[in-house]
Amino acid sequence: QKEVEQNSGPLSVPEGAIASLNCTYSDRGSQSFFWYRQYSGKSPELIMSIYSNGDKEDGRFTAQLNKASQYVSLLIRDSQPSDSATYLCAVIMGSASKIIFGSGTRLSIRP
Amino acid sequence: EAQVTQNPRYLITVTGKKLTVTCSQNMNHEYMSWYRQDPGLGLRQIYYSMNVEVTDKGDVPEGYKVSRKEKRNFPLILESPSPNQTSLYFCASSPGPAHEKLFFGSGTQLSVL
Repeated sequence: QKEVEQNSGPLSVPEGAIASLNCTYSDRGSQSFFWYRQYSGKSPELIMSIYSNGDKEDGRFTAQLNKASQYVSLLIRDSQPSDSATYLCAVIMGSASKIIFGSGTRLSIRP
Repeated sequence: EAQVTQNPRYLITVTGKKLTVTCSQNMNHEYMSWYRQDPGLGLRQIYYSMNVEVTDKGDVPEGYKVSRKEKRNFPLILESPSPNQTSLYFCASSPGPAHEKLFFGSGTQLSVL
């Protein structure tokens, strides 16, 4: 079992709809969770961080964390073509000694 | 402009020829780290540094060396590159805590023939 798992996609969502990206992790003691966006040929950039159970909203983005079920998700409301990218989930493992990235979900917003 | 600068952007080399990829940040960050990105495997951490003269292994350190003699610089050294080190490499820095809120450089595409 991978330590951080994401569906590789591609996930195709119509413009204006909600895109839902999911990530599961194996280390129950993990405390810090991040979503990075990576455009093709570019470097990753941080878009959301979340540390406690529940929802965290920032503009059109909402991160959701459920530690009991060991998953973290990212919702993108009113999806735009500029949201087309690969989204990487990252988890700092319980001991805080390492960070593990998922392999990423490719999101495509169709007009 | 706050940034993490990697050089070179592209590098083609041959097996066994030592190379160094440089990384520099101008944000006075204490934490710096190196990653490689391979299709289907995502980003994997190679080494990280919490401060000057403090370095630790990440998930895939074999075949790599690093040094942190100055706060702003964190070069990645491949003493004897092999074809399985062909990959896209990213340097990142962070104001801390460790591993959090990473600022990435633009990447170095390395090909080892």
